[in-house]
Amino acid sequence: AQKVTQAQTEISVVEKEDVTLDCVYETRDTTYYLFWYKQPPSGELVFLIRRNSFDEQNEISGRYSWNFQKSTSSFNFTITASQVVDSAVYFCALSEAGLSGTYKYIFGTGTRLKVLA
Amino acid sequence: KAGVTQTPRYLIKTRGQQVTLSCSPISGHRSVSWYQQTPGQGLQFLFEYFSETQRNKGNFPGRFSGRQFSNSRSEMNVSTLELGDSALYLCASRPPSGNTIYFGEGSWLTVV
Repeated sequence: AQKVTQAQTEISVVEKEDVTLDCVYETRDTTYYLFWYKQPPSGELVFLIRRNSFDEQNEISGRYSWNFQKSTSSFNFTITASQVVDSAVYFCALSEAGLSGTYKYIFGTGTRLKVLA
Repeated sequence: KAGVTQTPRYLIKTRGQQVTLSCSPISGHRSVSWYQQTPGQGLQFLFEYFSETQRNKGNFPGRFSGRQFSNSRSEMNVSTLELGDSALYLCASRPPSGNTIYFGEGSWLTVV
């Protein structure tokens, strides 16, 4: 069965601190995709990053970085030097190919990040 | 390039009524999916449409239905509303190649 676990319900940090959001997934497929989305109070889920199961290269994009480790089934997300604007709910998601070219997406329960000024 | 557009953004309905929500995908995207987000259940998949056909369906009662038009715009309908249907309903579209889905701002439904 597919599952995405975000054990951290809520994290509070002070501005300029680094923060890591954890994501652990379960899947039987060898081909799958992992995503992170950010949901500000407005409601829209904003796409941040996608990685496929064959690409374990970690990535840095500005203040964001992602650590994908298949050995531990984890896809963690780090914000360096956090800012108040980073305050949002962050969702990790897993996608597998379904029938007829469709994709199933399983979302974690989200981690609410509060960055305090 | 315009993003996914959902209307209405906010609405209040009474138990027993029905509601129709609309979604216009990103231009060129033909796959549209719908999600329900509640504090207790998180993000739950409702259904996916591609080329006017429902391709995938989540575990929701028959009161939840949807359709897609030839221009890829999609609507979802909830009949006989219950208090528990109060939620943020999110629409997402996917490009023809690739599997990243892009979300709209959602429709906040309150059932009283």
